[in-house]
Amino acid sequence: EIVMTQSPATLSVSPGERATLSCRASQSVGSDLAWYHQKPGQAPRLLIYGASTRATGIPARFSGSGSGTEFTLTISSLQSEDFAVYYCQQYNKWPPWTFGQGTKVEIK
Amino acid sequence: QVQLVESGGGVVQSGGSLRLSCAASGFTFSAYDMHWVRQAPGKGLEWAAFIRHDGNAKYYADSVKGRFTISRDNTKNTLYLQMNSLRPEDTAVYYCAKDSFQWDSWGQGTLVTVSS
Repeated sequence: EIVMTQSPATLSVSPGERATLSCRASQSVGSDLAWYHQKPGQAPRLLIYGASTRATGIPARFSGSGSGTEFTLTISSLQSEDFAVYYCQQYNKWPPWTFGQGTKVEIK
Repeated sequence: QVQLVESGGGVVQSGGSLRLSCAASGFTFSAYDMHWVRQAPGKGLEWAAFIRHDGNAKYYADSVKGRFTISRDNTKNTLYLQMNSLRPEDTAVYYCAKDSFQWDSWGQGTLVTVSS
């Protein structure tokens, strides 16, 4: 099973600032990496797939990078609606499909 | 537009059973693989089960294997999760998700609470 590890657990950021979230895989997943965000009481929403491709309707301030075992999600200028929990997920070697434990982005 | 609507959640005693449903619309349901993903209160996302578009391949997380059964009825555009021998640790919101290589559509979730 591929273990996904996200850091940090919590990120405190002021609106308008840049946020950088990390995700590490226990073995290479190539570019088969997705990012989701989830707001309280809502379902996860796909942000990025293929490590760097924005999903439909996702603003350009979200960008993903990396390959192999190290990945980064960058939010260039945080908006109020971006404060949420972010998860990475690998879909390279399955089953199981595995998620990271999440990074909570909170208002500083 | 794509819509996934889960139902069937509720409160059940430990050892009991529930069947969840996920009604799909807005896309050709029979062409897509589907997943169930769960989230315990205050916890992260855990993949639970997968079914191929034609129903001919199914996979389960070790935590539910032998107790849960995923199925689908492509004539009714509906995905199911039969959950037996439920345990308190199965308490979670259960989401269905459409797999178009990327998981781009999720339902709103249905809460299952297993009491001891």
